[in-house]
Amino acid sequence: KQEVTQIPAALSVPEGENLVLNCSFTDSAIYNLQWFRQDPGKGLTSLLLIQSSQREQTSGRLNASLDKSSGRSTLYIAASQPGDSATYLCAASGAGSYQLTFGKGTKLSVIP
Amino acid sequence: GAGVSQSPSNKVTEKGKDVELRCDPISGHTALYWYRQRLGQGLEFLIYFQGNSAPDKSGLPSDRFSAERTGESVSTLTIQRTQQEDSAVYLCASTRQGGGQYEQYFGPGTRLTVT
Repeated sequence: KQEVTQIPAALSVPEGENLVLNCSFTDSAIYNLQWFRQDPGKGLTSLLLIQSSQREQTSGRLNASLDKSSGRSTLYIAASQPGDSATYLCAASGAGSYQLTFGKGTKLSVIP
Repeated sequence: GAGVSQSPSNKVTEKGKDVELRCDPISGHTALYWYRQRLGQGLEFLIYFQGNSAPDKSGLPSDRFSAERTGESVSTLTIQRTQQEDSAVYLCASTRQGGGQYEQYFGPGTRLTVT
């Protein structure tokens, strides 16, 4: 059974800093890994999806990497802004399983 | 185009009552998922629909929970005889096709509170 862990559970940084959020998963046989953002009282917004054959994806100030052999993914946020404050979730889709298994998220606060 | 929509956005109900939650997927998306997010917990998979295939109900927590979907359109999640532990945000997602390798797009969720 796939298990996804995110560390840290919460992170507070000053505006302008670069930061890394970590995600680990137990079953390396995944179709893809997806990073989401969740704002309070809102649904999930998809940020990046990395297929199992890829090693990284980039969108603007965001870069996500995937290392299947070690069961790890990272989300790099460059030049953080207060508007980046949210909970970031990673989710792995297992091979042969179409459901996403989610971590509990990292709550990010960017201080102006 | 329009994203995934869900209704109602909030629902407060008394313990023991039945509730029905609705999800409208993105037009043309063949696969639809329901998840539950309880306070302080990660999202839990509930049920998966793909086209006209039999749904995967393996995540439903009890027989009080059921869901329907007609073709590739609207889905409803029904919870009978609600209990306080059913309080959660219920999220729906859809994907272009089934199979697990496609990006899931989520709706805003329905916040259910059972008093």
